[in-house]
Amino acid sequence: DIQMTQSPSVLSASVGDRVTLNCKASQNINKYLNWYQQKLGEAPKLLIYNTNNLQTGIPSRFSGSGSGTDYTLTISSLQPEDVATYFCFQHNSWPYTFGAGTKLELK
Amino acid sequence: EVQLVESGGGLVQPGRSLKLSCLASGFTFSNYGMNWIRQAPGKGLEWVASISSSSSYIYYADTVKGRFTISRDNAKNTLYLQMTSLRSEDTALYYCARHDYWGQGVMVTVSS
Repeated sequence: DIQMTQSPSVLSASVGDRVTLNCKASQNINKYLNWYQQKLGEAPKLLIYNTNNLQTGIPSRFSGSGSGTDYTLTISSLQPEDVATYFCFQHNSWPYTFGAGTKLELK
Repeated sequence: EVQLVESGGGLVQPGRSLKLSCLASGFTFSNYGMNWIRQAPGKGLEWVASISSSSSYIYYADTVKGRFTISRDNAKNTLYLQMTSLRSEDTALYYCARHDYWGQGVMVTVSS
Protein backbone atom coordinates (compact mmCIF):
# COMPACT_ATOMS: atom_id res chain seq x y z
CA ASP A 1 0.00 0.00 0.00
CA ILE A 2 1.14 3.55 -0.71
CA GLN A 3 1.66 5.62 2.43
CA MET A 4 1.04 9.36 2.24
CA THR A 5 2.92 11.55 4.72
CA GLN A 6 1.86 15.16 5.16
CA SER A 7 3.93 17.87 6.80
CA PRO A 8 3.65 19.80 8.91
CA SER A 9 0.74 18.38 10.88
CA VAL A 10 -0.12 21.86 12.16
CA LEU A 11 0.79 25.16 10.54
CA SER A 12 0.25 28.62 12.00
CA ALA A 13 0.46 31.55 9.61
CA SER A 14 -0.68 35.13 9.28
CA VAL A 15 -3.13 36.65 6.82
CA GLY A 16 -1.26 37.46 3.63
CA ASP A 17 1.46 34.86 4.17
CA ARG A 18 2.56 32.46 1.47
CA VAL A 19 1.88 28.99 2.83
CA THR A 20 3.29 25.66 1.66
CA LEU A 21 1.90 22.27 2.61
CA ASN A 22 3.77 19.10 1.77
CA CYS A 23 2.76 15.56 0.91
CA LYS A 24 5.17 12.69 0.33
CA ALA A 25 4.20 9.32 -1.12
CA SER A 26 6.01 6.11 -0.28
CA GLN A 27 6.35 5.38 -4.00
CA ASN A 28 5.82 7.12 -7.32
CA ILE A 29 2.16 8.08 -7.79
CA ASN A 30 2.52 9.53 -11.29
CA LYS A 31 0.94 12.88 -10.35
CA TYR A 32 -2.37 11.23 -9.40
CA LEU A 33 -2.59 13.45 -6.36
CA ASN A 34 -5.56 15.49 -5.20
CA TRP A 35 -5.78 18.09 -2.46
CA TYR A 36 -8.91 18.53 -0.36
CA GLN A 37 -9.89 21.25 2.09
CA GLN A 38 -12.10 20.38 5.04
CA LYS A 39 -13.55 23.07 7.24
CA LEU A 40 -14.96 22.21 10.65
CA GLY A 41 -18.26 20.37 10.36
CA GLU A 42 -18.20 20.27 6.57
CA ALA A 43 -17.52 17.68 3.91
CA PRO A 44 -14.15 17.85 2.16
CA LYS A 45 -13.91 20.05 -0.92
CA LEU A 46 -11.67 19.34 -3.89
CA LEU A 47 -9.12 22.10 -4.47
CA ILE A 48 -6.55 20.61 -6.83
CA TYR A 49 -6.71 17.44 -8.92
CA ASN A 50 -3.90 15.51 -10.55
CA THR A 51 -1.20 17.59 -8.89
CA ASN A 52 -1.70 20.99 -10.49
CA ASN A 53 -5.21 21.39 -11.89
CA LEU A 54 -7.35 23.95 -10.10
CA GLN A 55 -10.91 22.74 -9.54
CA THR A 56 -13.63 25.00 -10.93
CA GLY A 57 -14.59 27.74 -8.54
CA ILE A 58 -11.47 27.51 -6.38
CA PRO A 59 -9.58 30.81 -5.91
CA SER A 60 -6.39 31.18 -7.90
CA ARG A 61 -4.34 31.73 -4.73
CA PHE A 62 -4.35 27.92 -4.45
CA SER A 63 -1.87 26.01 -6.59
CA GLY A 64 -0.29 22.58 -6.64
CA SER A 65 2.95 21.14 -7.90
CA GLY A 66 5.08 18.05 -7.70
CA SER A 67 6.01 14.81 -9.32
CA GLY A 68 7.14 11.32 -8.41
CA THR A 69 6.79 11.06 -4.66
CA ASP A 70 6.81 14.73 -3.58
CA TYR A 71 3.88 17.13 -3.87
CA THR A 72 3.07 20.60 -2.62
CA LEU A 73 -0.01 22.74 -2.10
CA THR A 74 0.68 26.47 -2.02
CA ILE A 75 -1.58 29.28 -0.88
CA SER A 76 -0.07 32.47 -2.26
CA SER A 77 -1.72 34.85 0.18
CA LEU A 78 -3.47 33.31 3.16
CA GLN A 79 -7.02 34.47 3.82
CA PRO A 80 -9.05 34.01 7.02
CA GLU A 81 -11.45 31.67 5.24
CA ASP A 82 -8.57 29.30 4.45
CA VAL A 83 -8.47 28.06 8.04
CA ALA A 84 -9.14 24.34 7.59
CA THR A 85 -7.52 20.93 7.49
CA TYR A 86 -5.96 19.97 4.17
CA PHE A 87 -5.66 16.38 2.99
CA CYS A 88 -3.70 14.93 0.11
CA PHE A 89 -5.06 11.85 -1.64
CA GLN A 90 -3.41 9.45 -4.07
CA HIS A 91 -5.50 7.72 -6.72
CA ASN A 92 -2.68 6.18 -8.69
CA SER A 93 -3.28 2.68 -7.39
CA TRP A 94 -5.55 0.77 -5.06
CA PRO A 95 -5.94 0.92 -2.19
CA TYR A 96 -6.34 4.66 -2.52
CA THR A 97 -4.88 6.49 0.45
CA PHE A 98 -5.12 9.84 2.19
CA GLY A 99 -2.52 11.72 4.13
CA ALA A 100 -3.22 12.41 7.80
CA GLY A 101 -3.85 16.07 7.11
CA THR A 102 -2.32 19.47 7.83
CA LYS A 103 -4.31 21.72 10.13
CA LEU A 104 -3.89 25.33 9.04
CA GLU A 105 -4.42 27.96 11.73
CA LEU A 106 -4.18 31.74 11.87
CA LYS A 107 -1.37 33.17 13.93
CA GLU B 1 -26.16 20.91 -9.61
CA VAL B 2 -24.44 17.74 -8.51
CA GLN B 3 -25.94 16.30 -5.35
CA LEU B 4 -25.05 13.20 -3.38
CA VAL B 5 -27.35 12.39 -0.48
CA GLU B 6 -26.49 9.56 1.89
CA SER B 7 -28.97 7.71 4.07
CA GLY B 8 -29.27 4.58 6.17
CA GLY B 9 -26.93 5.36 9.02
CA GLY B 10 -27.62 4.94 12.69
CA LEU B 11 -26.73 3.13 15.89
CA VAL B 12 -26.06 -0.59 15.50
CA GLN B 13 -24.70 -3.28 17.80
CA PRO B 14 -21.34 -4.93 17.14
CA GLY B 15 -21.66 -7.88 14.79
CA ARG B 16 -24.81 -6.57 13.16
CA SER B 17 -25.36 -5.25 9.64
CA LEU B 18 -26.34 -1.96 8.06
CA LYS B 19 -26.86 -0.80 4.48
CA LEU B 20 -26.05 2.72 3.36
CA SER B 21 -27.51 4.35 0.28
CA CYS B 22 -26.43 7.38 -1.73
CA LEU B 23 -28.85 9.01 -4.14
CA ALA B 24 -27.10 10.93 -6.91
CA SER B 25 -28.55 13.73 -9.00
CA GLY B 26 -27.41 16.51 -11.29
CA PHE B 27 -25.12 14.35 -13.42
CA THR B 28 -25.16 11.16 -15.46
CA PHE B 29 -24.53 8.71 -12.64
CA SER B 30 -23.84 5.77 -14.95
CA ASN B 31 -20.80 7.56 -16.39
CA TYR B 32 -18.85 7.84 -13.16
CA GLY B 33 -16.94 5.63 -10.81
CA MET B 34 -17.97 6.16 -7.20
CA ASN B 35 -16.44 5.81 -3.78
CA TRP B 36 -17.22 5.44 -0.10
CA ILE B 37 -14.90 7.28 2.24
CA ARG B 38 -15.20 7.45 6.01
CA GLN B 39 -14.02 9.64 8.83
CA ALA B 40 -13.96 8.48 12.43
CA PRO B 41 -14.82 11.19 14.99
CA GLY B 42 -11.95 13.66 15.23
CA LYS B 43 -9.80 11.65 12.82
CA GLY B 44 -8.66 11.83 9.21
CA LEU B 45 -10.15 10.45 6.02
CA GLU B 46 -10.08 6.78 5.12
CA TRP B 47 -10.93 5.48 1.65
CA VAL B 48 -13.27 2.48 2.03
CA ALA B 49 -14.30 1.22 -1.41
CA SER B 50 -14.62 2.11 -5.08
CA ILE B 51 -16.80 0.86 -7.90
CA SER B 52 -16.46 1.59 -11.59
CA SER B 53 -19.27 3.05 -13.67
CA SER B 54 -20.54 -0.33 -14.87
CA SER B 55 -19.62 -2.23 -11.69
CA SER B 56 -16.88 -4.09 -13.59
CA TYR B 57 -14.19 -3.07 -11.13
CA ILE B 58 -14.58 -3.05 -7.36
CA TYR B 59 -11.91 -2.40 -4.75
CA TYR B 60 -11.90 -2.39 -0.96
CA ALA B 61 -9.67 -1.23 1.85
CA ASP B 62 -8.14 -4.13 3.73
CA THR B 63 -9.92 -2.96 6.88
CA VAL B 64 -13.34 -3.75 5.37
CA LYS B 65 -12.59 -6.45 2.80
CA GLY B 66 -14.83 -9.46 3.28
CA ARG B 67 -17.26 -7.51 5.48
CA PHE B 68 -18.44 -4.63 3.28
CA THR B 69 -19.91 -4.76 -0.21
CA ILE B 70 -20.17 -1.78 -2.53
CA SER B 71 -22.76 -1.87 -5.31
CA ARG B 72 -24.76 0.45 -7.50
CA ASP B 73 -28.04 0.62 -9.40
CA ASN B 74 -27.56 2.93 -12.36
CA ALA B 75 -31.29 2.86 -13.16
CA LYS B 76 -31.98 4.29 -9.71
CA ASN B 77 -28.93 6.61 -9.60
CA THR B 78 -28.01 5.01 -6.30
CA LEU B 79 -24.80 3.79 -4.71
CA TYR B 80 -24.87 1.31 -1.84
CA LEU B 81 -22.61 0.06 0.92
CA GLN B 82 -23.69 -3.14 2.64
CA MET B 83 -21.84 -3.42 5.93
CA THR B 84 -21.78 -6.69 7.89
CA SER B 85 -19.99 -7.91 11.02
CA LEU B 86 -19.71 -4.33 12.18
CA ARG B 87 -17.07 -3.42 14.74
CA SER B 88 -16.64 -0.45 17.05
CA GLU B 89 -13.79 0.76 14.82
CA ASP B 90 -16.27 1.12 11.94
CA THR B 91 -17.88 4.02 13.81
CA ALA B 92 -17.51 6.98 11.46
CA LEU B 93 -19.15 9.50 9.19
CA TYR B 94 -19.50 7.76 5.82
CA TYR B 95 -19.24 9.88 2.69
CA CYS B 96 -20.41 8.98 -0.78
CA ALA B 97 -18.11 10.68 -3.28
CA ARG B 98 -16.96 11.12 -6.79
CA HIS B 99 -13.44 12.49 -6.64
CA ASP B 100 -14.77 16.01 -7.19
CA TYR B 101 -18.08 15.99 -5.32
CA TRP B 102 -18.91 14.62 -1.89
CA GLY B 103 -22.12 14.15 -0.01
CA GLN B 104 -22.61 15.53 3.48
CA GLY B 105 -22.09 12.12 5.03
CA VAL B 106 -24.12 9.75 7.16
CA MET B 107 -23.13 8.72 10.67
CA VAL B 108 -22.71 5.07 11.62
CA THR B 109 -22.20 4.28 15.29
CA VAL B 110 -21.34 0.74 16.33
CA SER B 111 -21.91 0.24 20.02
CA SER B 112 -23.65 -2.08 22.42
